[in-house]
Amino acid sequence: AQSVTQLGSHVSVSEGALVLLRCNYSSSVPPYLFWYVQYPNQGLQLLLKYTTGATLVKGINGFEAEFKKSETSFHLTKPSAHMSDAAEYFCAVSAINTGGFKTIFGAGTRLFVKA
Amino acid sequence: SAVISQKPSRDICQRGTSLTIQCQVDSQVTMMFWYRQQPGQSLTLIATANQGSEATYESGFVIDKFPISRPNLTFSTLTVSNMSPEDSSIYLCSAGSQGNYGYTFGSGTRLTVV
Repeated sequence: AQSVTQLGSHVSVSEGALVLLRCNYSSSVPPYLFWYVQYPNQGLQLLLKYTTGATLVKGINGFEAEFKKSETSFHLTKPSAHMSDAAEYFCAVSAINTGGFKTIFGAGTRLFVKA
Repeated sequence: SAVISQKPSRDICQRGTSLTIQCQVDSQVTMMFWYRQQPGQSLTLIATANQGSEATYESGFVIDKFPISRPNLTFSTLTVSNMSPEDSSIYLCSAGSQGNYGYTFGSGTRLTVV
């Protein structure tokens, strides 16, 4: 079984500052890891994903995340926050197991960006 | 990646009635899922929509309340039956294919039950 924990339901940063959104996962089999973004009144958009290979993955809008197996973490970062980054961010984990292939989402972190 | 059209985008329904939500994908996909997102919360998987067979429901969700159809590889429906105010949520369809991880989501259906 898989689970995801996002540390911090709300994160506030100043425009131009580093964005760090934390995600820890649990999986009994090698996981696939994702970050999604949700803007108000919209569906989810895939930011980036880790499946296999390079542990540092780059996504859209300048975001990147690093898979650290020893820490069971997949934290999302962006060097310089922009006002348009204000949204809800979800970390998710998928794995193939007896229940099939399905994605489990974390509780989400709302990012606020101050001018 | 696949593009999903989901409709209706929103609806206000009377308690005791049913609403069917449609999910149309612009290409054939092997996997389709339905999620619920209650106000201010994360996504909870309702079921996996299986093509040509009964959906696979997660714990806490049953077919009588949330019947799902998937007649082909590009289309699925979710019905919310005998609605109560507790069913007020956003319902999202997700689709993708094995080997192409990171599924696409529809824009969601915002349901309000009064």
